[in-house]
Formats: sequence, structure tokens, C-alpha cells
Amino acid sequence: GQQLNQSPQSMFIQEGEDVSMNCTSSSIFNTWLWYKQDPGEGPVLLIALYKAGELTSNGRLTAQFGITRKDSFLNISASIPSDVGIYFCAGPLAGGTSYGKLTFGQGTILTVHP
Amino acid sequence: DTEVTQTPKHLVMGMTNKKSLKCEQHMGHRAMYWYKQKAKKPPELMFVYSYEKLSINESVPSRFSPECPNSSLLNLHLHALQPEDSALYLCASSRARIEKLFFGSGTQLSVL
Repeated sequence: GQQLNQSPQSMFIQEGEDVSMNCTSSSIFNTWLWYKQDPGEGPVLLIALYKAGELTSNGRLTAQFGITRKDSFLNISASIPSDVGIYFCAGPLAGGTSYGKLTFGQGTILTVHP
Repeated sequence: DTEVTQTPKHLVMGMTNKKSLKCEQHMGHRAMYWYKQKAKKPPELMFVYSYEKLSINESVPSRFSPECPNSSLLNLHLHALQPEDSALYLCASSRARIEKLFFGSGTQLSVL
């Protein structure tokens, strides 16, 4: 089935540093979603991307929909301790019996040292 | 209001118990989902309801039984679970099946 390859798997950074993570796929996606999950909570939608080349910001977060429609990246600027968590990319499958099924990347675990 | 509400927050049950997880949304969304998540892994899809009809069942064991009483509510009935079923169970909803999902905060289930 379709898979999303998310990297890096984990990051240990100092407060104030910028962070970059990305997702790639062998298949084309029409939508890219980025979620953040805190321990014991559900994923929270950070950014949704709908067009190839689209660059969208949400506060200190910026995400881009790759021009080939097979990748996306998420940047976090000037990280703070509350950025700690697991970040997932996701995209909905568009056809056949899997219509509407969301494929997730494996996640990037972010640790921020004060 | 972009909230999906799940109850209970935590649940401990024995292998012979019957329990139910509940999910509610008032966003007018017509697609609702159950996911299972193990620690530090991505959520795994279990069921999808679209317009209150079951549209995807990801070969989930029959000890998990979903129910969608109306467009705002989604239940997951649990019976004779195994210890390996211990996980975070997430409910989600979306405006339609291919739209962005909004997740609840989950039910942390422990099966003893």
C-alpha cells in the first residue's frame, strides 16, 4: 500500500533553534496534513495543504506542499519547550475502496532542551 | 467549535468485561472514524462511517463492534478483549471522507 516516509525519526534540539522535518511518498497526494500529538492526547491539526507549491504558515510553523505532489515539509522557527511532542504528516487516499483513508507518516519525536 | 469529545478518558477492563467508548461531535461532520494507536506509533484506522453507514472496516476482530446511532455520535463496543488490545483509541470526524480529520483526545484503554 501507499506509505509516507517521514524523517527524521527523532530530534533533540536546544530552545530557540529552528526545526525542519519532511515527508516523502512514491505516490501523488492531493492533500498534505501536519498534526502534532502530545502524550496521552489526540493529534491536533497544525496545517493543511491543498495545492502543489503551496506555502502556508501558522504562527512559528511553516509547511510546504512539494511541487511534485510527492513530498511536504514542516518548519518550526525559534523552538520553545511546548513544541515537544510527536509530529505526523498525513495524506488521504483518493481512490478505490480506500477512499478517504488517511495514511500517516511514522512520526518525528521532537525534544526541546531549555 | 472544532471539538470531538471522547469518554471515558481512561478505561481499565478485564478480558471478560463488556464496555463501550463514546464519541460526539457537533460540527455537522458526516464522516466519523475510530483509530487505534500504540505508543509512539501512528494511528491505525479501524472503522469509517460515512453518512451514518459503515464504509470501511479494516479487518478488525469482531470483539470490537462500532455503532453510529446518529450523525453526531459514534460508539465502539468492546467485548472479550485481549491484553494486546491495550492502546489509545481515537475518534475523529471530518466534513466528508476525504477532508481533514479532527481528532478527540482519546480513551486510554488497559486490558488486564
